[in-house]
Amino acid sequence: GAVVSQHPSWVICKSGTSVKIECRSLDFQATTMFWYRQFPKQSLMLMATSNEGSKATYEQGVEKDKFLINHASLTLSTLTVTSAHPEDSSFYICSATGQSTDTQYFGPGTRLTVL
Amino acid sequence: DAKTTQPTSMDCAEGRAANLPCNHSTISGNEYVYWYRQIHSQGPQYIIHGLKNNETNEMASLIITEDRKSSTLILPHATLRDTAVYYCIVRPHLYSSASKIIFGSGTRLSIRP
Repeated sequence: GAVVSQHPSWVICKSGTSVKIECRSLDFQATTMFWYRQFPKQSLMLMATSNEGSKATYEQGVEKDKFLINHASLTLSTLTVTSAHPEDSSFYICSATGQSTDTQYFGPGTRLTVL
Repeated sequence: DAKTTQPTSMDCAEGRAANLPCNHSTISGNEYVYWYRQIHSQGPQYIIHGLKNNETNEMASLIITEDRKSSTLILPHATLRDTAVYYCIVRPHLYSSASKIIFGSGTRLSIRP
């Protein structure tokens, strides 16, 4: 299957700072990328959908000014958690799909801990 | 997207076949059945998908009933590394405008030695 990477794999930051997470498709062009969040012992929750070159579409209840998503190229999308607080601590996972893929492929996830 | 129902948990002996059921009685004609799994602290891994015919790949087999209201994922020879949460998802074809995946609670499969 296709390969999706995320960077960093984990990050610890102080409350009030901003954190950027990268999602890359390594062997295909990702026309659409998705961002999920997962709290302990819960399922994945879709946060937003981004199409290359367009503004992201956010799910109900997700603050677009807090979770900034950029999808400027066919291989890279970024999620920036602005002014992070302890309640933003979670496992953030991206997925990607494109015309050459038969389904969505997920990254390994980024664990964010806000102190 | 159609709602799916899966058992909360299952267990299986190592080396035996693991059969994971999924009910999707409200599936519509253009919706596929997808299976993903998530090993602890990792991103979900795609396993298999199908529309109405049975499918098989190197990881698993997918059996879809004739009325498409339920399906079974079969791991033919389960190993300890197959311990994970398995998600059954129904959704329109990949390239439709509604291609986002909404995850349910899944089935927590435990493989015992």
